Amino acid sequence: SQTIHQWPATLVQPVGSPLSLECTVEGTSNPNLYWYRQAAGRGLQLLFYSVGIGQISSEVPQNLSASRPQDRQFILSSKKLLLSDSGFYLCAWASGLYNEQFFGPGTRLTVL
Amino acid sequence: GENVEQHPSTLSVQEGDSAVIKCTYSDSASNYFPWYKQELGKRPQLIIDIRSNVGEKKDQRIAVTLNKTAKHFSLHITETQPEDSAVYFCAASGGAGGFKTIFGAGTRLFVKA
Repeated sequence: SQTIHQWPATLVQPVGSPLSLECTVEGTSNPNLYWYRQAAGRGLQLLFYSVGIGQISSEVPQNLSASRPQDRQFILSSKKLLLSDSGFYLCAWASGLYNEQFFGPGTRLTVL
Repeated sequence: GENVEQHPSTLSVQEGDSAVIKCTYSDSASNYFPWYKQELGKRPQLIIDIRSNVGEKKDQRIAVTLNKTAKHFSLHITETQPEDSAVYFCAASGGAGGFKTIFGAGTRLFVKA
């Protein structure tokens, strides 16, 4: 069966510091991969998605970037964090005719 | 662009009553409509979905209906229990958005014991 991992689970970072969040998927090949951010009490904001290695589509212009160095690995990065980057970061994978999405456990990021 | 509107934003019901959450979508080419439940501090979990060739689907106490003509779909929860309290998100995909899933803003459901 398929499994999705995210780490770290929790992160506290100072403003201006770099960021690297990692997501890996097991049990499937060539999944579509997604990064979402969820502010406290709010909805799901799509940040990036990828349909293959090295292919990244950006939905929101900001100080974040994403990379997909391997088929089942998706990385979210920032060179300099802002206070507004705080939130719950969710990775998701999808496949199949209807592209059903399944979410990872998330990383809760607090920028101070 | 593609849009999914979800109502109500907050819903409070008494235990044992029914709850209904409604969504409308803008892209008539959408063909897949999942519903997610998100408990506090947890990831959204897929609880039920419906495809465009089906008008209704039921799984125990939850059911989803789809009206393609009106571009409406709804989640129905019967005999609500306190553990149904969560945020519910509807979504639509398969249209012009390609591999993207368009989510509604969410409904916070409170079930009072």
